[in-house]
Amino acid sequence: GAVVSQHPSRVICKSGTSVKIECRSLDFQATTMFWYRQFPKQSLMLMATSNEGSKATYEQGVEKDKFLINHASLTLSTLTVTSAHPEDSSFYICSASVAFVSTDTQYFGPGTRLTVL
Amino acid sequence: SQQGEEDPQALSIQEGENATMNCSYKTSINNLQWYRQNSGRGLVHLILIRSNEREKHSGRLRVTLDTSKKSSSLLITASRAADTASYFCAVYTGTASKLTFGTGTRLQVML
Repeated sequence: GAVVSQHPSRVICKSGTSVKIECRSLDFQATTMFWYRQFPKQSLMLMATSNEGSKATYEQGVEKDKFLINHASLTLSTLTVTSAHPEDSSFYICSASVAFVSTDTQYFGPGTRLTVL
Repeated sequence: SQQGEEDPQALSIQEGENATMNCSYKTSINNLQWYRQNSGRGLVHLILIRSNEREKHSGRLRVTLDTSKKSSSLLITASRAADTASYFCAVYTGTASKLTFGTGTRLQVML
């Protein structure tokens, strides 16, 4: 149980295009989803927290207009990287939790490798 | 800024040896968690230790927590080649309701 999937696993796009990454909780309802970014050989940095049906809360320094997050249902959150540039190339990982249980238990997706040419 | 600083950054051992990784953090926490990440993959939750616990075991894993020193250690006993991965600590603070990850330790277990 508690499986989180991400799609796509890898994406290569041209500079200036937008890319959407999906995060799904497959066997549970996720009231809260988190989006992280990881550069090579570095740690995970939290980008934003999204609660179903409400606007995402972005961490300091993360541009909300560049990284659009939608959490329209209890099983799906999407991250759209708008007007992507090479510096946005990174590994994006989502996680999901059931907030009314606790957000300290997060189930992580397998990640999406974004390469912007 | 990141909560957790881990050391060593990299560790290379022979199969069968024990591996110890340390994590230090800066503020009060509700719990501390350890994760494993294989190269280019997602995170696997290993163990969670709460702020009122001092030691926890799970199979070949032993985690300690010293809240007075704001530090934790992860011990992997009788390591195997399959343990080769990056290991991250993450602290959970209830007020922020989020996990903050450490810098990670890259473990290589050689045959």
